[in-house]
Amino acid sequence: AQTVTQSQPEMSVQEAETVTLSCTYDTSESDYYLFWYKQPPSRQMILVIRQEAYKQQNATENRFSVNFQKAAKSFSLKISDSQLGDAAMYFCAYRTYTGNQFYFGTGTSLTVIP
Amino acid sequence: NAGVTQTPKFRVLKTGQSMTLLCAQDMNHEYMYWYRQDPGMGLRLIHYSVGEGTTAKGEVPDGYNVSRLKKQNFLLGLESAAPSQTSVYFCASSYSFQEAFFGQGTRLTVV
Repeated sequence: AQTVTQSQPEMSVQEAETVTLSCTYDTSESDYYLFWYKQPPSRQMILVIRQEAYKQQNATENRFSVNFQKAAKSFSLKISDSQLGDAAMYFCAYRTYTGNQFYFGTGTSLTVIP
Repeated sequence: NAGVTQTPKFRVLKTGQSMTLLCAQDMNHEYMYWYRQDPGMGLRLIHYSVGEGTTAKGEVPDGYNVSRLKKQNFLLGLESAAPSQTSVYFCASSYSFQEAFFGQGTRLTVV
């Protein structure tokens, strides 16, 4: 069974600093997708970044980047130059190429300190 | 460009009452999902559908039913609401090989 683990229920970062959120997953598949979603207080789930497992290069979207370690089954999210608007709950998610389902972690609540 | 739309956004039910949550997507996605979100538990899959006329159980299906009579709509029903069903409900849709797109969520309180 696929599981996604986010071991940090809460994190905080000073504005303009860098923070890394951790995610590990368990799977026997070789091909899959990984995602980070942001959920601000508005409750809307917003895709931050996605990574295809067959790609060795780490995905980057502006201030957001990932460190994808396939052998270690690790998928961390780095937020650079943190802004007040980055304060939110962040969810890591997994999906196989052929699977119908997404598997989500329990989330990390990020606080940005002015 | 509406994306995924859920109705209603908020609802309060009495124990034993029934209700239906409606999810509509305009992206022609094959896959549709219903999740519930509870504090400290992330998103848990209730039911999902891989196409019009098909549904399947997820991780926490008990007490819920679903229907997908049209490709763009996915309905979640609670036949006899219980306080344990107090939660935030999310609908999502996707293509294969793609991320999920979410609705705005429905906050349901059962008293």
